[in-house]
Amino acid sequence: QVVVQESGPGLVKPSETLSLSCTVSGGSINTDGFYWTWIRQHPEKGLEWIGFIHFRGRTSYNPALKNRLTISVDASENRFSLKLTSLTAADTALYFCARGRGYPLDSWGQGTLVTVSS
Amino acid sequence: DTQMTQSPSTLSASVGDRVTITCRANETVSNWVAWYKQTPGKPPKLLIYKATTLERGVSSRFSGTDSASETEFTLTISSLQPDDFATYYCQQYVNFPLTFGQGTKVDVK
Repeated sequence: QVVVQESGPGLVKPSETLSLSCTVSGGSINTDGFYWTWIRQHPEKGLEWIGFIHFRGRTSYNPALKNRLTISVDASENRFSLKLTSLTAADTALYFCARGRGYPLDSWGQGTLVTVSS
Repeated sequence: DTQMTQSPSTLSASVGDRVTITCRANETVSNWVAWYKQTPGKPPKLLIYKATTLERGVSSRFSGTDSASETEFTLTISSLQPDDFATYYCQQYVNFPLTFGQGTKVDVK
C-alpha cells in the first residue's frame, strides 16, 4: 500500500518561496496511470486543487496559482515537490500531497500546515 | 472553472438514518465525479469514483448516483454509523482545474 508524506517548513515569511516535498513509499513514483498531486485546505475551509505531475513530466496547474507554481519530480528519490513563490497570507493553509489514480485521489498524506507570517 | 455546489451545507442526523448529499455542477462533467470523507485532523478519504463506483474497502452503506443531465450527483449513506459523522466533499475531475464542492458536514442531531 502506497504511503505519501509531506515535509517542509511550517512558517514562511511573506514574499518568500514555499518549498514542500512529498515522499512516496510502498510503491514507485515511476508508475503509469498515477498523477502526483498537491491540494491545500485553508483553515476551516474546503479543498483547493493545486496541481499534479506525472513521472514522465506532464504537469497541470491551477491557473489561479500557475504564475507562482512549480511541481517537479525526483524519481531517484521517489518523491515530488512543490515550489510556490511570492507568498502572501492567503497562502496560509494545510497542504496535502496525494496520489491520483487517474485523477481521483486514493492516497493522501497527513498534511502539513504552512503559515505565512512575518 | 467548473463550480461544484453541494447541498445541504450541514445535515443533522441520527445513527441509523439514511442520508443523501447532492452535488451539482454548473457544466457537464459526464460521470467523472468522486466523493471523499474527511474527519477533523485527518486527510480526506476516497469513497466513490466515476460517480457510482465504490472504492475498494469502503462500506457498501455508501453509494453514489449520477443523472442523465451529467450535472447532478448524489452520495447516500444507507444507515448512518457513528464513524460517518464527518464532512463530505464531491470533486469533478474532467475539467481543469479540478474542483471540489464546498463540503457537507454531517453532524449529530
